[in-house]
Amino acid sequence: AQKITQTQPGMFVQEKEAVTLDCTYDTSDQSYGLFWYKQPSSGEMIFLIYQGSYDEQNATEGRYSLNFQKARKSANLVISASQLGDSAMYFCAMKNVRGSTLGRLYFGRGTQLTVWP
Amino acid sequence: NAGVTQTPKFRILKIGQSMTLQCAQDMNHNYMYWYRQDPGMGLKLIYYSVGAGITDKGEVPNGYNVSRSTTEYFPLRLELAAPSQTSVYFCASSYSGVGETQYFGPGTRLLVL
Repeated sequence: AQKITQTQPGMFVQEKEAVTLDCTYDTSDQSYGLFWYKQPSSGEMIFLIYQGSYDEQNATEGRYSLNFQKARKSANLVISASQLGDSAMYFCAMKNVRGSTLGRLYFGRGTQLTVWP
Repeated sequence: NAGVTQTPKFRILKIGQSMTLQCAQDMNHNYMYWYRQDPGMGLKLIYYSVGAGITDKGEVPNGYNVSRSTTEYFPLRLELAAPSQTSVYFCASSYSGVGETQYFGPGTRLLVL
């Protein structure tokens, strides 16, 4: 079964500093996708970044980058130059791309990030 | 494009009542999903659909039903509401299941008393 683990219930970072949010996953499949979503206090789910299991380069989207270490089964999110608006819950998720679970996202429990001035 | 829309935003139900959560998307996505998010937890899949007329169970389907008669709509039906169904419900869609991000609606907050 697929499993996503986020071991940091809460993280604090000062504005303009970088922060890394940890995510490890467990799957026996070779083809999968890894996602990070942001959930602000307003509740909506906002897609941040995607990494395919066969992508050789780490994904980047603006201030977000995904540190993908396939052998260690980790997909950490790095936020550079943190802003106060980055304060939110962050979810790591995985999707299989083959088989009967095609398209289903499996979520971790999330990390609450607080950015302070 | 409106993206994924959900109604209502908030609802209080009494135990044993039924209701339908509405979800619509205007992106012509084939795949649609229903998730629930309990306090302090990640999202769990209730049901999903890979196209009109095709639905399948997710991790936590008990107490729910779905239908998908068109590409655009994917309603979630709660029969005989129970306090354990108090949660935030998210609908999502994607064009395909392969490597595509899912776009989420704003959520429906449901309280069963």
